[in-house]
Amino acid sequence: DAKTTQPNSMESNEEEPVHLPCNHSTISGTDYIHWYRQLPSQGPEYVIHGLTSNVNNRMASLAIAEDRKSSTLILHRATLRDAAVYYCILRDSGYALNFGKGTSLLVTP
Amino acid sequence: KAGVTQTPRYLIKTRGQQVTLSCSPISGHRSVSWYQQTPGQGLQFLFEYFSETQRNKGNFPGRFSGRQFSNSRSEMNVSTLELGDSALYLCASSLLSGENTEAFFGQGTRLTVV
Repeated sequence: DAKTTQPNSMESNEEEPVHLPCNHSTISGTDYIHWYRQLPSQGPEYVIHGLTSNVNNRMASLAIAEDRKSSTLILHRATLRDAAVYYCILRDSGYALNFGKGTSLLVTP
Repeated sequence: KAGVTQTPRYLIKTRGQQVTLSCSPISGHRSVSWYQQTPGQGLQFLFEYFSETQRNKGNFPGRFSGRQFSNSRSEMNVSTLELGDSALYLCASSLLSGENTEAFFGQGTRLTVV
């Protein structure tokens, strides 16, 4: 499976936008880019996914580079509840979600 | 709409025993996957079932097994428990199976082997 690279941790102030980067230079043409997050003491939660075009939903936006070698998850206005580990995952025709170590996001008031 | 339900939430077992964990997916979802989460290894894929058939299996010993019933509910079994099996076991359900599908996770079952 193609690998992703994310910063170990990031910090943001409450009510400010957060841009979480993900590099995936070996992405294949059929890999979808998925983002999940895991809040403390909970199971992972689906955030967003996309293939080539930028995607928006009620939780976040996903910006995908034109060459698809990187992507950015955008939280438009961070809240304390957004403090979590964020996982960027490439999903091909396989059935598994291959979670890496993710980015631990700290949100400060 | 009810989410993914895993039972029990907490479990303590002794080395050598076996354990069965249960997962009820979201109504209408046909795919159920299982994951193990430990501090050292993170989240690791165990197996996935779709319409009662195991579609894929992760790199775990044969002591780890599972099944899916006709109502899509799934169970996983771990036999001859070892201390290293202590972990959070997570179940995820999806409407379909594949790369363009989101997965919904339960709260997990925390297994402690003593």
